[in-house]
Amino acid sequence: DIQMTQSPSSLSASVGDRVTITCRASQGIRNDLGWYQQKPGKAPKRLIYAASSLQSGVPSRFSGSGSGSEFTLTISSLQPEDFATYYCLQHNSYPLTFGGGTKVEIK
Amino acid sequence: EVQVVESGGGLVQPGGSLRLSCAASGFTFSDYWMSWVRQAPGKGLEWVAIIKQDGSEKYYVDSVKGRFTISRDNAKNSLFLQMNSLRAEDTAVYYCARGPTGPPLRFTPFDYWGQGTLVTVSS
Repeated sequence: DIQMTQSPSSLSASVGDRVTITCRASQGIRNDLGWYQQKPGKAPKRLIYAASSLQSGVPSRFSGSGSGSEFTLTISSLQPEDFATYYCLQHNSYPLTFGGGTKVEIK
Repeated sequence: EVQVVESGGGLVQPGGSLRLSCAASGFTFSDYWMSWVRQAPGKGLEWVAIIKQDGSEKYYVDSVKGRFTISRDNAKNSLFLQMNSLRAEDTAVYYCARGPTGPPLRFTPFDYWGQGTLVTVSS
């Protein structure tokens, strides 16, 4: 199984900060990766697909990059509505596996 | 508007069974792979199972193989998860999520999610 290691597991940031979350795959997964945002008590929402493509309707301050085994999700200027938990998902092979999550909290 | 709505969750004893349903609307259900993803209380997301458009391919996480069965009824725009031999560690919110139209190993899945249904396995 492919293990997805997300870092950090949590971070504190202020409105307007640039935030970067990293996901590392235990083996190369090309660009078979998505990023999801989840707010407390709500269903996840897809932000990025194919590692770097922005989901329709998602603000352009979100961006994804990477290929192979290292990927990043960047929020260029953190907004109040961005405080949430973020997960990466690899879909290169079964079982599909999520990273452990990164909780973004208000500083 | 795309919608998926789960139902069927509840409290069940260890070793018991439960059948979850997911009603889909707002899109051509038979064009998409469909999946179940779960989240234990206070924990992260875990993919459970996925099924191809015509039901000819099904894949599961190892921890549920032989106990859970994913199925679909395209005529009723519905997805199901039959869960048998339930264990305490199966306690979670179960989400129905839409897969891609093409192979999930090429196209990023889960662009739409339901609100989830809670399954609690306890005596």
